Amino acid sequence: DGGITQSPKYLFRKEGQNVTLSCEQNLNHDAMYWYRQDPGQGLRLIYYSQIVNDFQKGDIAEGYSVSREKKESFPLTVTSAQKNPTAFYLCASSSVGGSVKNIQYFGAGTRLSVL
Amino acid sequence: AQKITQTQPGMFVQEKEAVTLDCTYDTSDQSYGLFWYKQPSSGEMIFLIYQGSYDEQNATEGRYSLNFQKARKSANLVISASQLGDSAMYFCAMRGTNTGNQFYFGTGTSLTVIP
Repeated sequence: DGGITQSPKYLFRKEGQNVTLSCEQNLNHDAMYWYRQDPGQGLRLIYYSQIVNDFQKGDIAEGYSVSREKKESFPLTVTSAQKNPTAFYLCASSSVGGSVKNIQYFGAGTRLSVL
Repeated sequence: AQKITQTQPGMFVQEKEAVTLDCTYDTSDQSYGLFWYKQPSSGEMIFLIYQGSYDEQNATEGRYSLNFQKARKSANLVISASQLGDSAMYFCAMRGTNTGNQFYFGTGTSLTVIP
């Protein structure tokens, strides 16, 4: 079945540690996205990528880094510079092109907590 | 600038009744798409329904319909015959032709279905 796989489901970070969240998709989508969701809040865009080896900062990119070496994969690293990383992280993907109907599909999310 | 507004933080509905979740939007794009997503307590975002700005008829998908009023810039979600499984967060989102492949989300509405 086609879809988006995020791992791990739960992740714990120690002070000063970098952690990487995995996102893989087999939908053949060109665009991939990372969002952060805090309790009771909406989604905030961290980074997005429309093509391999290219990505753009979203609204809250500070303290995060990404790479896009393969079309299927868009890992997110939460660095030690991110002082408040506890949140729910959602990865998404969509087709690109002239149509505004390209639906964005989501993974199941990763819950990150600080020890 | 693109903006989505959901003014109802929480809503309650009796089982088997219909409920309307409000969404207003602001955009300067002539062509845009409007989306509704459901987020159950598990966290995954589930796509429900899409409405294009040039679609002449309101979108429907099973028990979900979209009350699209372009002049008022509103795209309200109507859920008919509510079920207990409809209890979740609901997010309205928009994508425009001049925003690349970015999606803009509202802050969500928490729906609780009462038996």
